[in-house]
Amino acid sequence: QSALTQPASVSGSPGQSITISCTGISSDVGGSNSVSWYQQPPGKAPKLLIFDVNTRASWVSYRFSGSKSGNTASLTISGLQAEDEADYYCSSYTGSSTWVFGGGTKVTVL
Amino acid sequence: QVHLVESGGGVVQPGTSLRLSCAASGFTFSSYGFHWVRQAPGKGLEWVAVIWFPGGNKYYADSVKGRFTVSRDNSKNTLYLQMNNLRAEDTAVFFCARKDTLFLDPWGQGTLVTVSS
Repeated sequence: QSALTQPASVSGSPGQSITISCTGISSDVGGSNSVSWYQQPPGKAPKLLIFDVNTRASWVSYRFSGSKSGNTASLTISGLQAEDEADYYCSSYTGSSTWVFGGGTKVTVL
Repeated sequence: QVHLVESGGGVVQPGTSLRLSCAASGFTFSSYGFHWVRQAPGKGLEWVAVIWFPGGNKYYADSVKGRFTVSRDNSKNTLYLQMNNLRAEDTAVFFCARKDTLFLDPWGQGTLVTVSS
């Protein structure tokens, strides 16, 4: 049950696009389309952002998109805005009735 | 409106026990599975446990297996996490979340557990 690997931090200027990677192994990220992403603003609870690799939750802007290639999933934020500053976590079902999270990525808008 | 509210956190000594609760409202509680996820101070999210629907099968992270037990009371729309033999490294905010196919949504606001002598 090793954590998925995410960069600790990613930054960008308003209007730019950034991408957060999430690397696992063949039995979790690579094994199914069960990757989800969560946004956690400072001091608040996590909130579902994207599920099933690339499906946005109902409240989520089109500026957020997800993808996957092999054992690596990615979250892209286009048209970066100040309100996007938060911690972002990926998660995957492991296929053995357990789940695993990434270490989290802090997004900073410069 | 779907709502999850955790309670039961507090300061406890190492080796003792604590039971967390997660009260649900706004949906049919008995039709869903639920997760517990924790977050140590300044750290990332760690998946802790899941209780599936409808069979109620339970699964745990290796770090808590044998010490923590997840359960539910459908008559009270409440999820529980019984934590025994607590260690300093269990200090964290504990979140409950509804299991929706293979993702977690929504989440509660969390309850803080501090294990310290």
